[in-house]
Amino acid sequence: EPEVTQTPSHQVTQMGQEVILRCVPISNHLYFYWYRQILGQKVEFLVSFYNNEISEKSEIFDDQFSVERPDGSNFTLKIRSTKLEDSAMYFCASRIGGGAFFGQGTRLTVV
Amino acid sequence: AQKVTQAQTEISVVEKEDVTLDCVYETRDTTYYLFWYKQPPSGELVFLIRRNSFDEQNEISGRYSWNFQKSTSSFNFTITASQVVDSAVYFCALSQAQNTGNQFYFGTGTSLTVIP
Repeated sequence: EPEVTQTPSHQVTQMGQEVILRCVPISNHLYFYWYRQILGQKVEFLVSFYNNEISEKSEIFDDQFSVERPDGSNFTLKIRSTKLEDSAMYFCASRIGGGAFFGQGTRLTVV
Repeated sequence: AQKVTQAQTEISVVEKEDVTLDCVYETRDTTYYLFWYKQPPSGELVFLIRRNSFDEQNEISGRYSWNFQKSTSSFNFTITASQVVDSAVYFCALSQAQNTGNQFYFGTGTSLTVIP
């Protein structure tokens, strides 16, 4: 069964460092998303991506964040200068219609 | 504005009991989708069901069933004869139906513990 794959599963980084979270969406999907979930809290929308550009983004998705689909298969989320409050589970999702399929998540810990 | 409310923060049931998880939503859209996701302790999000706003037919899948009532803006989820493996956090979500990169509005989740 096709699945969304995220790497790494866990990343520890120092405050101020840049991180790149990687996602391989399901191959024929057209819409891509990043969400985050701070421990014990709700899943929050960050950004959606369609037709090689951002279609919607939330207030959380400020200038520190960027997304890219560098090679037509990977979908990356970059955080330029991480803060302690960026520590969370980050989920990538993709869909073609119907339900979105989520990756297993990357747990980002900023120390 | 879109909003999803899951009033039950935590529920505990004894194995084999039935349990219903409540979900109430708000939207001004006439066309939208409703979802349920399961988040087991391992952390991933598992898609359970999608429902189109035009389809109010209830659905059953094994021990799972969903009751969609547009009149009360509710989309409740029932697990029959619960099992320990059902222990997880369950999220209800709402999505707009436009075609360009819809975002999902998640509820705060209901943590279900099934006691053996």
